[in-house]
Amino acid sequence: DVKVTQSSRYLVKRTGEKVFLECVQDMDHENMFWYRQDPGLGLRLIYFSYDVKMKEKGDIPEGYSVSREKKERFSLILESASTNQTSMYLCASSPPSTGGKNIQYFGAGTRLSVL
Amino acid sequence: GENVEQHPSTLSVQEGDSAVIKCTYSDSASNYFPWYKQELGKRPQLIIDIRSNVGEKKDQRIAVTLNKTAKHFSLHITETQPEDSAVYFCAALFSGGGADGLTFGKGTHLIIQP
Repeated sequence: DVKVTQSSRYLVKRTGEKVFLECVQDMDHENMFWYRQDPGLGLRLIYFSYDVKMKEKGDIPEGYSVSREKKERFSLILESASTNQTSMYLCASSPPSTGGKNIQYFGAGTRLSVL
Repeated sequence: GENVEQHPSTLSVQEGDSAVIKCTYSDSASNYFPWYKQELGKRPQLIIDIRSNVGEKKDQRIAVTLNKTAKHFSLHITETQPEDSAVYFCAALFSGGGADGLTFGKGTHLIIQP
């Protein structure tokens, strides 16, 4: 079974703090993704990475950065947390698209509250 | 970029009835359309997908249909059961930078009434 592990299920941070959300996958997948999930807005892509040290902006990258120093680990960084970044954050990984398919495997999510 | 619209946002059906969720996409180059199910408090998981070279795919009680000309695809669940209650997301494949990714719809909360 593919395992995508997010380091924290719940986090509470203060406005202005630097926040790190960590994601690790054990299937040697090339691709990794960070989404935020908000009621009524679905899953919105923040950043993704297709290789070590490579990153691409998703639909809502503002206020976030990412780091991928090792293939299995993809970190999401909030440089200065704000209350509007209170959300559920989901990490996912996938192998390269094969046969025209892109199957993503999700972590359990980190619920972040910024006070 | 790709834009995916999903309707309805909430769907309530009687147990045993059928449920249909519809999605449209904007990029005619998209050729892969998966559906994910997210039960309460759990992670999204792939339940069925379809590629653009077929018009319909079935897996037991669930089926997906695709109309490439109209750029829409639908999820059909027959003989609904309580365990079908969840949020369902449709998605379409996009190609960006060095990788492919998915653009998701906003989700449909399916409620199965006993």
